[in-house]
Formats: sequence, structure tokens, C-alpha cells
Amino acid sequence: EVQLLESGGGLVHPGGSLRLSCAASGFTFRNYAMSWVRQAPGKGLEWLSEISGGGDSTYYAGSVKGRFTISRDNSKNTLDLQMNSLRVEDTAVYYCTYGTFYAGSHDNWGQGTRVSVSS
Amino acid sequence: DIQMTQSPSSLSASVGDRVTISCRASQGIAYSLAWYQQKPGKAPKLLLYGASTLESGVPSRFSGSGSGTDYTLTISSLQPEDFATYYCQHYYGTPYTFGQGTKLEI
Repeated sequence: EVQLLESGGGLVHPGGSLRLSCAASGFTFRNYAMSWVRQAPGKGLEWLSEISGGGDSTYYAGSVKGRFTISRDNSKNTLDLQMNSLRVEDTAVYYCTYGTFYAGSHDNWGQGTRVSVSS
Repeated sequence: DIQMTQSPSSLSASVGDRVTISCRASQGIAYSLAWYQQKPGKAPKLLLYGASTLESGVPSRFSGSGSGTDYTLTISSLQPEDFATYYCQHYYGTPYTFGQGTKLEI
């Protein structure tokens, strides 16, 4: 059974940093590109970033480029999102996702981890 | 970036109704479109990909169609468990973008 378990969320001040992690199990992690998607309170879904299976290619949404860094450790089956220079508008639930057939068609989601950015 | 415009933003319907949700891309996306269902407090669930391919386990009352820039999600006969928010999303290259969502209410 596929499991994606996010952790690392919490309350942080504007300008601060936070590192999210996603522990993956139940599938061959290194074979799949992985993404982070977020949802602000009461708002829609926003794709943030994707990393290739081997970790050599990364892609970002304009809203987080230069502030967030995606990475993975295929030996530990973990996906990370380093978030720097956090803003109030980064407050959201952050999901770890991947697509079995197409990288961008996400059929597997974690339960999400909540990030609150507030002074 | 490709913009996805979804309509309507909300929809009231009854059990047994047939409903249609539309999604328009700002440029052609060659069937690289997914539809998701999300219920409050839960992660989204993939319903269809490739514009019209039903994800395993999804009831056949859900269907998708379209091409080029215009796509449609149809629920043929609404069931009580279908009341949720629906999102379209293109995956025709990064950045992937979602529509703003359609809240389907009783």
C-alpha cells in the first residue's frame, strides 16, 4: 500500500524558515517524480514544485522560486521541501504527491502538513 | 504559464441530476488534463486523467471529454457522496496549474 507521510509543519514568523519532509513507502520511490502541492485556508490547490526520480531535475512555481528548494534522498525514500523567507501568504496545508502514470497527474497524496506563518 | 479557468465556481444540484463542469486552458494542452474531487479536510482524489481516462476505482458516472483548450467533467447521476469541490489541472509541462475549483452543493 502506498503511503506518503508529511511532517515538519508548524508555526513560523514571517521571514523564517521551515523544512517539510515526506516519508514514502509502498512503491519504488526512485522511479517516480515527486511534487509538493499546497492549499491555503479556504482556497484552491497550488502546485509548488517537482523533482525527477533521480533528483537531477527540479521545477518550481513562480510564487516560490528562489525561496523554496525541493530535494530527495532515494536511499531513505524521503522528499523534502526547504522553505525560506516565509510569508504570511505561505500559510497552507502542504501535500506530498506523485503520479503513477504521468508525473503531473497526481493519483497519490499524503494527508498534508499544516504551515502557519504569522507574527 | 498556462492559466486554467473553471466554471461555474459553485453549483447547486440534487441527487440524480446530471451536472457538467467546464475547464478552459489559456493554450492547447493536448489532453494533459486531470480532474480531482476534494472533500472538506481531505486530500484531493484523482478522478480522471488524460482528459477522459477514468482512474481505477472511480465510478463510471464520472466522465470527461474535450480537446485543445476546452474540457468538461460530467457526473451523469449525482449521488450523495458526490457533493464536494472539483478541480481541473493541466500537466502539459511545468508549472502545472489548477482551476479555481467548483463547489458542488445540494
